[in-house]
Amino acid sequence: DGGITQSPKYLFRKEGQNVTLSCEQNLNHDAMYWYRQDPGQGLRLIYYSQIVNDFQKGDIAEGYSVSREKKESFPLTVTSAQKNPTAFYLCASSPTGSLGSPLHFGNGTRLTVT
Amino acid sequence: GENVEQHPSTLSVQEGDSAVIKCTYSDSASNYFPWYKQELGKRPQLIIDIRSNVGEKKDQRIAVTLNKTAKHFSLHITETQPEDSAVYFCAANTNSNTGKLIFGQGTTLQVKP
Repeated sequence: DGGITQSPKYLFRKEGQNVTLSCEQNLNHDAMYWYRQDPGQGLRLIYYSQIVNDFQKGDIAEGYSVSREKKESFPLTVTSAQKNPTAFYLCASSPTGSLGSPLHFGNGTRLTVT
Repeated sequence: GENVEQHPSTLSVQEGDSAVIKCTYSDSASNYFPWYKQELGKRPQLIIDIRSNVGEKKDQRIAVTLNKTAKHFSLHITETQPEDSAVYFCAANTNSNTGKLIFGQGTTLQVKP
């Protein structure tokens, strides 16, 4: 299944709790991304990072936070400020953050908040 | 902001028929257009991509066409097989310095045997 590992596969949390989703890659890719997938809405970009110690907000960053302390790792924290956190979260990486660099996806984490 | 519209949302064809999925994009600066296939319960995988310097690209039963003037691009699958059943996403880059992709809403393709 390639070199991107997301864990866990399923995650359950109570409303009001922060939760961190793990994403690790051993592809030596510079760029990493977090997408959220909801039925009928495609993939929406939450955050992305082109290089270690740098990251940018995507289209739906509110209620989320990330860090990029190591090239291999790009964890996503879903905070209690995210109004509708239940979703399927996909992490991806690409060799560079530039034009025409295909994304390689992890297997995803399905988060359920009740 | 920039967006990508994808149609149809669902598509059902008989095995052996062709399937066409269409996308339009809003950012005239977009110049990279990949297509991803996502089988049930699995991760999206790149199946074909096209850059703005070409109008068509083929890979066996799959082809993609691009019309930059009209800002639309299409995926064509010929001789469909049951294993082609999946959700297909188109995407377009925006702000080419970042590799950031905007995805369409997805098309669920069902190929009936």
